[in-house]
Amino acid sequence: DSGVTQTPKHLITATGQRVTLRCSPRSGDLSVYWYQQSLDQGLQFLIQYYNGEERAKGNILERFSAQQFPDLHSELNLSSLELGDSALYFCASSVRTDGVKETQYFGPGTRLLVL
Amino acid sequence: GQNIDQPTEMTATEGAIVQINCTYQTSGFNGLFWYQQHAGEAPTFLSYNVLDGLEEKGRFSSFLSRSKGYSYLLLKELQMKDSASYLCAVRDGDDKIIFGKGTRLHILP
Repeated sequence: DSGVTQTPKHLITATGQRVTLRCSPRSGDLSVYWYQQSLDQGLQFLIQYYNGEERAKGNILERFSAQQFPDLHSELNLSSLELGDSALYFCASSVRTDGVKETQYFGPGTRLLVL
Repeated sequence: GQNIDQPTEMTATEGAIVQINCTYQTSGFNGLFWYQQHAGEAPTFLSYNVLDGLEEKGRFSSFLSRSKGYSYLLLKELQMKDSASYLCAVRDGDDKIIFGKGTRLHILP
């Protein structure tokens, strides 16, 4: 158990709908990352937050948005869903030590199926 | 463009040593990650290298040469449970993380 929790574990929805995925980082970890993994695209970085602020952005679609709340949990919102959004969505949190060393901890993922 | 290259598949024998190479061309460099992922599971973080050199962590070691755009992951005393995909990822100058396609490692008894 990494200490990172993600809800829900599974989500089935229809095209055009909107869903929210939730991530709770390990206690004390300030950074949260979101990743998407689909069969044809592999693992892709979506976005990173650090202590409530957006830190880095990957190839995240405009239909997707995220935020990190004061209690450090994060939500990824996916709207106008398309069939191609079906994927595993992972969240990870991280801690930095010695200024540069970083260790990431992954949650179990949310499996999204868009029908 | 940004590019991360690693072999698609490798095979090694239980008890042996295997080295998985990763070369990268990115817009800036702020660090390199290695992850292990078993089929159907979440990735597991293995290492994060920012400075040149070798970092050892138990049976796994990771090496980085920034001037050559090159890293490798070294796995010693291979066990059957090491059969997995190994992902190399680079944090570029904008802190965006770019992934390679992963190396599937098969361990034979």
